[in-house]
Amino acid sequence: RKEVEQDPGPFNVPEGATVAFNCTYSNSASQSFFWYRQDCRKEPKLLMSVYSSGNEDGRFTAQLNRASQYISLLIRDSKLSDSATYLCVVRGYFGNEKLTFGTGTRLTIIP
Amino acid sequence: GAVVSQHPSWVICKSGTSVKIECRSLDFQATTMFWYRQFPKQSLMLMATSNEGSKATYEQGVEKDKFLINHASLTLSTLTVTSAHPEDSSFYICSAGPRLGPLNNEQFFGPGTRLTVL
Repeated sequence: RKEVEQDPGPFNVPEGATVAFNCTYSNSASQSFFWYRQDCRKEPKLLMSVYSSGNEDGRFTAQLNRASQYISLLIRDSKLSDSATYLCVVRGYFGNEKLTFGTGTRLTIIP
Repeated sequence: GAVVSQHPSWVICKSGTSVKIECRSLDFQATTMFWYRQFPKQSLMLMATSNEGSKATYEQGVEKDKFLINHASLTLSTLTVTSAHPEDSSFYICSAGPRLGPLNNEQFFGPGTRLTVL
């Protein structure tokens, strides 16, 4: 089983729609969770950290369920510029800074 | 702040040659730098973790004699792909972090180096 699993997609979604991505992780000792965005042939960029209490940044909402080892990302009112690959990323226990990346979910927003 | 650069951004070389990639944190000092590799349509895979002044820690399956890492300062790490072969063609990305100072657990990624071995 992969350490971080995501549905690779692709998700083709009309502009303005709401889209949700899910991710599961296998290591229950994991401490930090993130969503990164990666555009084609570019480096990944941090979209947002994910907390158990849930957090929101504009149109983006992230949620963590530690009991189920499940992370989600919701994008509301999707824009053409949201087209990218979204990477679920997990970091281990404090002091272990290693990041483990999911394979990514490819999103295309259709005009 | 927190900018990481990589050089070169792309390189084409002949099979059997060695290629050096530099990773620099431009405006901060990083305790650790990481080297990743990404093949087409796949995710980033960690190759090694590099701490300044000590030997790098390689992930399982990564040959340390083939991928030489030197971390001479808190702002510079280099990855040398020795005797490169076509199967080494990939997108190599470094990250640096966390920054020294107040708690900050974010890693900052360089723009990547695209290596093509003919």
